Amino acid sequence: QVQLQESGPGLVKPSQTLSLTCTVSGASISTDAHYWNWIRQHPGKGLEWLGHIHYGGSTFYNPSLKSRVTMSVDKSKNQFSLRLNSVTVADTAVYYCTRVVILGAAAGPIDHWGQGTLVSVSS
Amino acid sequence: EIVLTQSPGTLSLSPGERATLSCRASQSVSRSFLAWYQQKPGQAPRLLIYGASSRAAGIPDRFSGSGSGTDFTLTISRLEPEDFAVYYCHQYGTSLWTFGQGTKVEIK
Repeated sequence: QVQLQESGPGLVKPSQTLSLTCTVSGASISTDAHYWNWIRQHPGKGLEWLGHIHYGGSTFYNPSLKSRVTMSVDKSKNQFSLRLNSVTVADTAVYYCTRVVILGAAAGPIDHWGQGTLVSVSS
Repeated sequence: EIVLTQSPGTLSLSPGERATLSCRASQSVSRSFLAWYQQKPGQAPRLLIYGASSRAAGIPDRFSGSGSGTDFTLTISRLEPEDFAVYYCHQYGTSLWTFGQGTKVEIK
């Protein structure tokens, strides 16, 4: 059974860097069948795609965040990570790590989600 | 960027009734790369439909998806108590993914 679990600080100060890690169990992150992805949801709002990463290191970021976001993979730990720098209160959200099916060369639907972790940005 | 507009914002129905949810795209969704997710309070979304009309594993057949181009529909043939939730459409046909704003299906 595939499971994804987010971990990281629940509170980040403005202008600092938000760092989250997703630990994957029940599946290998080192597969050409999937991308690994971050989605966030502002309180009471809809879903926003942040970007995805392949185990080989290729990344695809949302242009609206591209200058602030970095994703990485640690194959030895079967984890992938998100860093979002220069955060503001507008970055307060529930952050989900997810698994994405690869269809041909394109990213497909999200077939597995972590439970999500609330990150608040506040001084 | 493809903007997805879902309607209605809220759907008030009784168990056993049919629910029809709409998702309209600002431009054509490539290869019908459109998915639907269900989200209940305090939970992560769950994949229901992908490729506009294919049910994900374990999804009951009362859920069906249809449409192509710019107009897509999620139909729940007979609402069960556990189906009252928020539903999101999602296009993955471009490198910039986007989601609809959601439709809440509530008990009338």
